[in-house]
Amino acid sequence: EAGVAQSPRYKIIEKRQSVAFWCNPISGHATLYWYQQILGQGPKLLIQFQNNGVVDDSQLPKDRFSAERLKGVDSTLKIQPAKLEDSAVYLCASSSRRLAGYEQYFGPGTRLTVT
Amino acid sequence: GIQVEQSPPDLILQEGANSTLRCNFSDSVNNLQWFHQNPWGQLINLFYIPSGTKQNGRLSATTVATERYSLLYISSSQTTDSGVYFCAVVSADDKIIFGKGTRLHILP
Repeated sequence: EAGVAQSPRYKIIEKRQSVAFWCNPISGHATLYWYQQILGQGPKLLIQFQNNGVVDDSQLPKDRFSAERLKGVDSTLKIQPAKLEDSAVYLCASSSRRLAGYEQYFGPGTRLTVT
Repeated sequence: GIQVEQSPPDLILQEGANSTLRCNFSDSVNNLQWFHQNPWGQLINLFYIPSGTKQNGRLSATTVATERYSLLYISSSQTTDSGVYFCAVVSADDKIIFGKGTRLHILP
């Protein structure tokens, strides 16, 4: 069974530029998560989808971050415009169930550097 | 909101030693999961353990939900065990929170 796929693996941009990350979850997993992990910290949940609906986006900086999962499968996270403090690893995870009984599986992440 | 604290923050051990990592949480949780983040940044599932005890080879975990803690045991450490260990909880109001992690370094 293929794991969670993410691309690109690395991205370097200048501040005020835009960037997009792509995630393809494990086949059949209805729930998809995007996390931001700043160096030395634990992952922070940005947004959680159940199929193509948003379950939780309370920690997503909506003035510059957006995410979509139009067909309930793969997802895109966008930052526009980027700031220096957005430098982090962006992790995508998926699970087959939401709420109780979930077990998340993570992709390799995208390391973003904003200069 | 719920607080998740992991201890110790850093741990250096000789190969072959045993270790215990702790995760405390401030309120009741629906779920708890342990992960190992390897030096390449990949988060690897270790245990899904909202309560009880599980074992997988040299690793085992115990969660005592009523006392709001979980323990991860690593026996006969190997250099490949190095990395950061995270616990993640799902709170009663369905918020997913990660601890800050325990950084483990196993010396050969």
